[in-house]
Amino acid sequence: EDQVTQSPEALRLQEGESSSLNCSYTVSGLRGLFWYRQDPGKGPEFLFTLYSAGEEKEKERLKATLTKKESFLHITAPKPEDSATYLCAVRGMDSSYKLIFGSGTRLLVRP
Amino acid sequence: ETGVTQSPTHLIKTRGQQVTLRCSSQSGHNTVSWYQQALGQGPQFIFQYYREEENGRGNFPPRFSGLQFPNYSSELNVNALELDDSALYLCASSLYGEGYGYTFGSGTRLTVV
Repeated sequence: EDQVTQSPEALRLQEGESSSLNCSYTVSGLRGLFWYRQDPGKGPEFLFTLYSAGEEKEKERLKATLTKKESFLHITAPKPEDSATYLCAVRGMDSSYKLIFGSGTRLLVRP
Repeated sequence: ETGVTQSPTHLIKTRGQQVTLRCSSQSGHNTVSWYQQALGQGPQFIFQYYREEENGRGNFPPRFSGLQFPNYSSELNVNALELDDSALYLCASSLYGEGYGYTFGSGTRLTVV
């Protein structure tokens, strides 16, 4: 069964303190790994899609990387506006029409 | 380019009642999916519609049903509401096929009392 586990559940950083969020996955043939940002009471906002091990994508202070078993979302010099829940999801061969989400990492960046 | 819009934004219903939630897909998208997100959890897949037919379903009972219309808008219907149905309901649209991402709406917050 396809599964996604995110860690840590919550992370508090000081402004400018870089860190990484982890997404471990088990899937029967990866058709895509997705990172989303979600603000309280809002829908997920798309950040990145990764398709194969070794792939990397960047956007402003965020960089996503992918291996065969996990993905990392690296946050460089975060700002308070980066505070949000970051969700990881996979799309697998056996369930190509749906996304399997992790429970997310709640990030708080203090000024 | 318009995004995904959902209505209403908030809703309070009594246990046993029925509810209909609505979604307008992003312009150009032909596939719509619905997700349920409980507080503190990731979204869970309910079902997906393509060409006005359900083409995938998660582990949700038959009292969760949906429709997709020719203009690609969609409805989620839930009958015989239970307290555990209280959640944020998210609609996501995409193009059918590989390599396409999903655009989510802001959701409908349903509270069952």
